[in-house]
Amino acid sequence: DAEITQSPRHKITETGRQVTLACHQTWNHNNMFWYRQDLGHGLRLIHYSYGVQDTNKGEVSDGYSVSRSNTEDLPLTLESAASSQTSVYFCASSESTASGGTYNEQFFGPGTRLTVL
Amino acid sequence: QKEVEQDPGPLSVPEGAIVSLNCTYSNSAFQYFMWYRQYSRKGPELLMYTYSSGNKEDGRFTAQVDKSSKYISLFIRDSQPSDSATYLCAMSAFLLGSGRETSGSRLTFGEGTQLTVNP
Repeated sequence: DAEITQSPRHKITETGRQVTLACHQTWNHNNMFWYRQDLGHGLRLIHYSYGVQDTNKGEVSDGYSVSRSNTEDLPLTLESAASSQTSVYFCASSESTASGGTYNEQFFGPGTRLTVL
Repeated sequence: QKEVEQDPGPLSVPEGAIVSLNCTYSNSAFQYFMWYRQYSRKGPELLMYTYSSGNKEDGRFTAQVDKSSKYISLFIRDSQPSDSATYLCAMSAFLLGSGRETSGSRLTFGEGTQLTVNP
């Protein structure tokens, strides 16, 4: 069965370190997204990609970067981890075919719980 | 002000109760209205969606959208302990002519309402 996976599931790091969170999907979806989830804010969009070599900034992109070199993967990099980036991170993917009236469901991964000390 | 407002609860009800969950929004461009369910320490899963205004029913769940009031609701009938989860409303615009923007594009989420159904 097709799926979306994230690794690691839990990560503890120190302030100032570079951290990369992996996201891999086997649906062959063109659209991929990274969200963070925090109490009081719900899910907020960090970065998204509509295809290979395409990346776009979301609502809370400062301090994060992504690159899309193939369809299956969208790794999220924290260039210099800060305590404010302690959060649960979710990756999602969806189809990209334009279809008025039909929602192209975003499928979410299981999440990565990141703690920055 | 947030684009999507949702009461975070927590909401606690007895088994069998009717549950009403609501969101308000400010962006008139939203055309797709989704409800996601998230169990503890899991990723969100789509429960149901509505395109534009109107009602949609799926078993014990009914979604309503009132675009004139910018207000959406999710009703759960005969609630069960297995319904205990966080319910997130999410919204999306469908932008024509922008190439890659489609109905599967950027979602704006509410904060989520934590629901507990007690046996």
